[in-house]
Order: sequence, then structure tokens, then C-alpha cells
Amino acid sequence: SQKIEQNSEALNIQEGKTATLTCNYTNYSPAYLQWYRQDPGRGPVFLLLIRENEKEKRKERLKVTFDTTLKQSLFHITASQPADSATYLCAMTTDSWGKLQFGAGTQVVVTP
Amino acid sequence: DGGITQSPKYLFRKEGQNVTLSCEQNLNHDAMYWYRQDPGQGLRLIYYSQIVNDFQKGDIAEGYSVSREKKESFPLTVTSAQKNPTAFYLCASSAGQGGNQPQHFGDGTRLSIL
Repeated sequence: SQKIEQNSEALNIQEGKTATLTCNYTNYSPAYLQWYRQDPGRGPVFLLLIRENEKEKRKERLKVTFDTTLKQSLFHITASQPADSATYLCAMTTDSWGKLQFGAGTQVVVTP
Repeated sequence: DGGITQSPKYLFRKEGQNVTLSCEQNLNHDAMYWYRQDPGQGLRLIYYSQIVNDFQKGDIAEGYSVSREKKESFPLTVTSAQKNPTAFYLCASSAGQGGNQPQHFGDGTRLSIL
């Protein structure tokens, strides 16, 4: 089965810097990869989706890259703000139905 | 505002008791899902439904049951057979099946054992 790895250690970053998170997977390349944000005690909120034939996707200060050779996706938050502090989850589809598998998430803490 | 409503926010279960978690959506989505989230683990799929009156087991369905009698509603029952029910339960919906569909989540129900 697919194993999805996200860094379990919190990423502490100063306001204004770029935060970079990794999502690694072990077996088959997903057709689609999604990123979500989750605040404490709340449900995840969808941020970005990238297809396997896309290298990069951007939305405002967010950027996602997808490298099927490295079996890795990178998630970047540029010009980070304290309001960006949250846990970020990656999720991917590994079957034809589209059932999502989620990583455990990485917490980001942005300090002023 | 369109969205997903889960209730209650907190729920306590006694030994041997079944409890039901509510999930309602007004997004007119066909697909609905139930996930369980434990500390340090990714969301795990319990059950999913692609259409009214149809649902499928996910990865950890044992000790749970669902129904999908209406498009808007997908309640989850945690039965007494689920020996470790303490967790954060999340309901989600999407416009259709397929990994190119983002999922919209409710704000969860936290279930604890008395």
C-alpha cells in the first residue's frame, strides 16, 4: 500500500520568510495530489491540487511542485505570516475511484 | 453559506452504547465521506458514499455503520463493537468521485469514552 511521509517535526519560521514542506510517497505515482490546511479543532480546508503531468501550481503566496522521479511534492508559503500558522496535510489519489489517502501533516509556526 | 455541518461538536460514549454522529451538507454534492483522525496519524477513511442509498467500506469500517437515505445527510453510528472509539471524526463531501475533486470538510466531532 502507499506510504505517505510528511515531516512530523514542527517547522518554526520567522515572518516574511518562505516555508517549505515536503510530502514523500513510496510506491505508485498518484494521478492527483492535494494540499490542505487544518487549524486546531477544525476540519481541513482545501488549498491546491496538482496533476501528475504538472510540475508546478501556484495560488497567491502558495506554490506546489510535483516530482514523480523523486516521488515528492514540495509546498511553499512565501512571505509567511503568523496567520499561516497551521498544520498542512498532503493527500493523494492512488486508485481509479479517487479515494484520497492523507499524510499525518506538518505543523507550521510563523513567529513575528 | 454552503457547507458541511457536523453535530455535536463533543460527544461522550458509555460502555456498550451506540452513538450517532450527524453530518449534513447543502453543497448539492453527490459524494460523502467519514474519516477518523488520531494524534500523529493521517486521516483514515471509515465509509464513503458516491450516491444516495449506496455506500462502501473504507479502510477501517469495523465497528461503524452508516446510512445515506438523503443526498444531504450521511450519519455515522459508532457501535459498541468499536473498542477504541476515542478520536476526532470528520465528515467531508465532494462534487463527484475522482482525485481531481477537492473535498469539503465539516469541523468535526470529538468523541470520548466516559
